[in-house]
Amino acid sequence: AQKVTQAQTEISVVEKEDVTLDCVYETRDTTYYLFWYKQPPSGELVFLIRRNSFDEQNEISGRYSWNFQKSTSSFNFTITASQVVDSAVYFCALRRYSGAGSYQLTFGKGTKLSVIP
Amino acid sequence: GAGVSQSPRYKVAKRGQDVALRCDPISGHVSLFWYQQALGQGPEFLTYFQNEAQLDKSGLPSDRFFAERPEGSVSTLKIQRTQQEDSAVYLCASSLTPTGGGTEAFFGQGTRLTVV
Repeated sequence: AQKVTQAQTEISVVEKEDVTLDCVYETRDTTYYLFWYKQPPSGELVFLIRRNSFDEQNEISGRYSWNFQKSTSSFNFTITASQVVDSAVYFCALRRYSGAGSYQLTFGKGTKLSVIP
Repeated sequence: GAGVSQSPRYKVAKRGQDVALRCDPISGHVSLFWYQQALGQGPEFLTYFQNEAQLDKSGLPSDRFFAERPEGSVSTLKIQRTQQEDSAVYLCASSLTPTGGGTEAFFGQGTRLTVV
């Protein structure tokens, strides 16, 4: 069975602060994919990043960065110099690399981020 | 269209009423998914289509839920005899490739169903 835990239900930060959203996952697979999605108030899930489990190199995209630690089964997401437009619910998700159900995303419960001007 | 389109955006149904939710995936996308998102929760998988074939319906909560994609493009999720516990946002997603692969799923804005 696969499971994703996002322990932070809600976070509030003041604009320009850095913020890290935690994600811990459980899987018996040795290879898998990890994702982050953003859900603004409009409702759609916006894809942010996909990582392969065999690539532990951290990634940076503008103000966003991701820290993948296979040893601790974590895939944390950091927003640097947060902005009001970053306010949304963020979901971490897991998907099998291959085999039965490899099309299916398993989501965490999400972290609601509020950035205060 | 440019993205996944879902209609209606909002639906209020009286308990016991049948509803139909529509999803227009991104043109050319082989895979189509339905997810259910309860308030304050993450989306949960309902069903998966590869073209017109429904390959997995293990997430459908009861036999009152039925999904189809007859021509391999537009999909409809039908809920018969709606119950209050069916109240949720129903998200549709599509992706370019068949099962798995290194591609991401693109989601629509969802249909918020409220059963009163």
